[in-house]
Amino acid sequence: AQTVTQSQPEMSVQEAETVTLSCTYDTSESNYYLFWYKQPPSRQMILVIRQEAYKQQNATENRFSVNFQKAAKSFSLKISDSQLGDTAMYFCAFMPASGTYKYIFGTGTRLKVLA
Amino acid sequence: DTEVTQTPKHLVMGMTNKKSLKCEQHMGHRAMYWYKQKAKKPPELMFVYSYEKLSINESVPSRFSPECPNSSLLNLHLHALQPEDSALYLCASSQDRRTGVGEQFFGPGTRLTVL
Repeated sequence: AQTVTQSQPEMSVQEAETVTLSCTYDTSESNYYLFWYKQPPSRQMILVIRQEAYKQQNATENRFSVNFQKAAKSFSLKISDSQLGDTAMYFCAFMPASGTYKYIFGTGTRLKVLA
Repeated sequence: DTEVTQTPKHLVMGMTNKKSLKCEQHMGHRAMYWYKQKAKKPPELMFVYSYEKLSINESVPSRFSPECPNSSLLNLHLHALQPEDSALYLCASSQDRRTGVGEQFFGPGTRLTVL
């Protein structure tokens, strides 16, 4: 069975600084997708970034980038130049590349950006 | 249009009431999902529809009854709920896994309170 672990329940960062959220996972699948979702206090879950396991290059989306280490089964999210609007709950999610539609979510990291 | 809409935003109901939650998407997605989310927790999958057919039921009690009248619309019928069913109910949609990655796009949710 697959598992996803987010070991940091809460984090804070000063505005304009950089912060890294950790995510590790366990799977026997060779091909899969990993996602980071953001859920601000207004509650809508928004897809931040996606990584395909077969791609060695780390995904980036503007200020958001990932450090994907397949052998270590690690998928951390780096937020550069943090903004107040980045304050949210961040969930890491795993999905096999074939078969089930089911996401395996981590328990989430609550990030607070301080002015 | 990259939006999933949900109505109502808030719902308060008694344990003997019957109510329905509605979800709509116009992205051409053929998979739709219902999740239940408690505060500070990740979403828990309830149901998945693929091509308007129920493909996953995560052993959800029968007081929750999903319906997919067409490819754009997903309903969740509620009857004889318990106070512990109070939660945020999220709808999501995705491409079919055969035609795309299948990352999920979430609606804003319905905040349900059962008295």
